[in-house]
Amino acid sequence: SQQGEEDPQALSIQEGENATMNCSYKTSINNLQWYRQNSGRGLVHLILIRSNEREKHSGRLRVTLDTSKKSSSLLITASRAADTASYFCATALFMETSGSRLTFGEGTQLTVNP
Amino acid sequence: ETGVTQTPRHLVMGMTNKKSLKCEQHLGHNAMYWYKQSAKKPLELMFVYSLEERVENNSVPSRFSPECPNSSHLFLHLHTLQPEDSALYLCASSQSFRGEQYFGPGTRLTVT
Repeated sequence: SQQGEEDPQALSIQEGENATMNCSYKTSINNLQWYRQNSGRGLVHLILIRSNEREKHSGRLRVTLDTSKKSSSLLITASRAADTASYFCATALFMETSGSRLTFGEGTQLTVNP
Repeated sequence: ETGVTQTPRHLVMGMTNKKSLKCEQHLGHNAMYWYKQSAKKPLELMFVYSLEERVENNSVPSRFSPECPNSSHLFLHLHTLQPEDSALYLCASSQSFRGEQYFGPGTRLTVT
């Protein structure tokens, strides 16, 4: 089964609106991270939320984590055209033999129209 | 800039060629990773190195051969690749396994 499934797959909004992306996962985790990727480029880390945290803020980003539902959401407020990118959630799961590893979802493609 | 560089940025190679991808991190991190990103697929973890020792190999075909000569450099040696190996190859590093990862810009590989 796949960890970190994002929903929706694609989201198109107008500048100034808020964008919400959701992520569901299947196993216990140590933390959950959100990354952003501009087309054809590397991923940029946005925010990390630990399994004992419920909400975290960073600038215009707000992340929530519900471990009982195994889900997380990323909210971008007052979106800008420059926020156009793919957004990925990644779950960090501790493995006894090899430490923690990140498992990425397929991502949400966000388009913010000027 | 994330502190992780990758070269080359683009590579076109035939199925009989041998080439290498290079990754360098300037962050003093202990762990380095190779990922493969194909269209419409989740990011696939290929290899993990911790303090220059390979700790994970996710059933990657032997035509991909990683090398980590020191904690700052990571290579991916490629030989006799297949067209389905065309993808964006991303390198990343982290201070610890549980922390955030810093990605390079990737190498766009096309196998003809």
